[in-house]
Amino acid sequence: DTGVSQDPRHKITKRGQNVTFRCDPISEHNRLYWYRQTLGQGPEFLTYFQNEAQLEKSRLLSDRFSAERPKGSFSTLEIQRTEQGDSAMYLCASSPGQGAVQPQHFGDGTRLSIL
Amino acid sequence: AQSVTQLGSHVSVSEGALVLLRCNYSSSVPPYLFWYVQYPNQGLQLLLKYTTGATLVKGINGFEAEFKKSETSFHLTKPSAHMSDAAEYFCAVSENSGGSNYKLTFGKGTLLTVNP
Repeated sequence: DTGVSQDPRHKITKRGQNVTFRCDPISEHNRLYWYRQTLGQGPEFLTYFQNEAQLEKSRLLSDRFSAERPKGSFSTLEIQRTEQGDSAMYLCASSPGQGAVQPQHFGDGTRLSIL
Repeated sequence: AQSVTQLGSHVSVSEGALVLLRCNYSSSVPPYLFWYVQYPNQGLQLLLKYTTGATLVKGINGFEAEFKKSETSFHLTKPSAHMSDAAEYFCAVSENSGGSNYKLTFGKGTLLTVNP
């Protein structure tokens, strides 16, 4: 169990640029979540994958956001045409697929800063 | 819809004193409840969880929480604070209305400061 890994840890970019983040969940975890955390707030749910299927997206996830999990392992989150309001910490979490409620294990996040 | 309210955005205690962090939830179905801790520039680490069964839940680092359905509360306590407990604490609720998505809804967090 090597934990959830996120890359990069920090990303600074100019407004209007596209960015992509990667998440490697704990191996054999079927469920993968993305959350966004802004300063002084708790994390907010963005989207959920069961294996490679994206089963739910929050209304927070505008058309500029897209997430994939092509082989049911790692996931990517892309933001196109970034805006100032996209500045936040983006957290990835994973959990096992069996059983009703399994705790979500979080990565250390990617902090995005928009200049 | 589920929601979480954490009373007190900042709690300050002396080392060795009791820690009490308050959490109230709203859920349309029996909830699953969690406390997570976050250190600066890190992700969230699970402290403890309540799913079913015993309402007093023990977690890591000496923390515990009690689920009180009548009060819709899940307060976090620790008898004696340590300097290393200084961090931000998040209460979260999860419910399932069908399917396999157990997304978490978090409170705004409580920053715990421990004074020597």
